[in-house]
Amino acid sequence: QVQLQQSGAELVKPGSSVKMSCKASGYTFTSYYIYWIKQRPGQGLEWIGRIGPGSGDTNYNEKFKGKATFTVDKSSSTAYMQLSSLTPEDTAVYYCARSRITIAAISTGYFDYWGQGVMVTVSS
Amino acid sequence: DIQMTQSPASLSASLGETVTIECLASEDIYSNLAWYQQKPGKSPQLLIYDASSLQDGVPSRFSGSESGTQYSLEINSLQSEDAATYFCQQHHDYPYTFGAGTKLELK
Repeated sequence: QVQLQQSGAELVKPGSSVKMSCKASGYTFTSYYIYWIKQRPGQGLEWIGRIGPGSGDTNYNEKFKGKATFTVDKSSSTAYMQLSSLTPEDTAVYYCARSRITIAAISTGYFDYWGQGVMVTVSS
Repeated sequence: DIQMTQSPASLSASLGETVTIECLASEDIYSNLAWYQQKPGKSPQLLIYDASSLQDGVPSRFSGSESGTQYSLEINSLQSEDAATYFCQQHHDYPYTFGAGTKLELK
């Protein structure tokens, strides 16, 4: 069965960085984009960006450029997101989710499977 | 960025009733709209994509429709398990954007 298994909760200090993982299983890793989405406590959802596992190509929300960096390891079917220069406003749950890559090499754009989320708490 | 204005922010309904949640896009998104259900402490789950296509495994009491740039999610015959927060998401253009959410409470 399809699974996106994310790494565990993080408690980090302001100004530091954190790197989280999203391990995919149950499907062909390179056939789906991996997206990252932020949800602040009690708030809505915010699209951070996406990475193509086959090509490594990325697309970032302008708001998160310089904040988030995506990488993949095809050998382990794992996607990573690093967040840098953390502030209390980065305290949130971060989800990975997948979206199918069409024959035209574009994303269907909707997310049929999500990881369980990583709670990142930025506090001194 | 495309703005998604979702309404209402919350609603309360009884078992068996029908409710409608709406999202208004700030520009034409050409039916590229998805609806998700999120329960407390859980990840969102896809209900509807491409405005009206039902995701596999989702009960048929959920349906999506559109009229211009207005998109609607209808839930018929409300069940207790439908208590959740619902989000719309436009998947027409980057950056993808979400509505603010509708919290559905069952009376």
